[in-house]
Amino acid sequence: KNEVEQSPQNLTAQEGEFITINCSYSVGISALHWLQQHPGGGIVSLFMLSSGKKKHGRLIATINIQEKHSSLHITASHPRDSAVYICAVGSGGTSYGKLTFGQGTILTVHP
Amino acid sequence: KAGVTQTPRYLIKTRGQQVTLSCSPISGHRSVSWYQQTPGQGLQFLFEYFSETQRNKGNFPGRFSGRQFSNSRSEMNVSTLELGDSALYLCASSWGQAGTGELFFGEGSRLTVL
Repeated sequence: KNEVEQSPQNLTAQEGEFITINCSYSVGISALHWLQQHPGGGIVSLFMLSSGKKKHGRLIATINIQEKHSSLHITASHPRDSAVYICAVGSGGTSYGKLTFGQGTILTVHP
Repeated sequence: KAGVTQTPRYLIKTRGQQVTLSCSPISGHRSVSWYQQTPGQGLQFLFEYFSETQRNKGNFPGRFSGRQFSNSRSEMNVSTLELGDSALYLCASSWGQAGTGELFFGEGSRLTVL
């Protein structure tokens, strides 16, 4: 079992739909990151969170430390949201700061 | 404010050669971390340097090494290249230690090993 599991692996939506991507992890963490990668390779950090909830525009990220689970929500999705979304956890303990990545969720939003 | 700069952007090498990749972080950032991305394995952590010290290392063979200079610029080196080393190599900088602060990624260096 991977230390970081994302679901779904692929997601297709129509413009305007509400989207949820899930991330579960099995190790103690210092922080959890949500990243966005567009075709061509560039990666942008969307959120870093260690508790609670954060919101940037149409994007919302939540984390439940007890359940070792995080969700990324996109409200009113748009074709420009089409990208790969990656969850990454920063380790705690002796490997403090080391990042482990989920396999990514490929999101396609159709107009 | 300039972003994270990686050089070269593309390179082609042959098996057995060695390669050095460079990463210039955002001014003021003390952490530089390196990642390998392949279609089969996804993103994998290589190592992190913070204030010129290697703080963490991923599960890669000793052929993969790195260093960080006093100006926080970092280099990674891969010796005795293998076909499986073909990948996109990304670096990221952050003010604090990687994984605990917002990460800023470079565009990557795409290595092809023939």
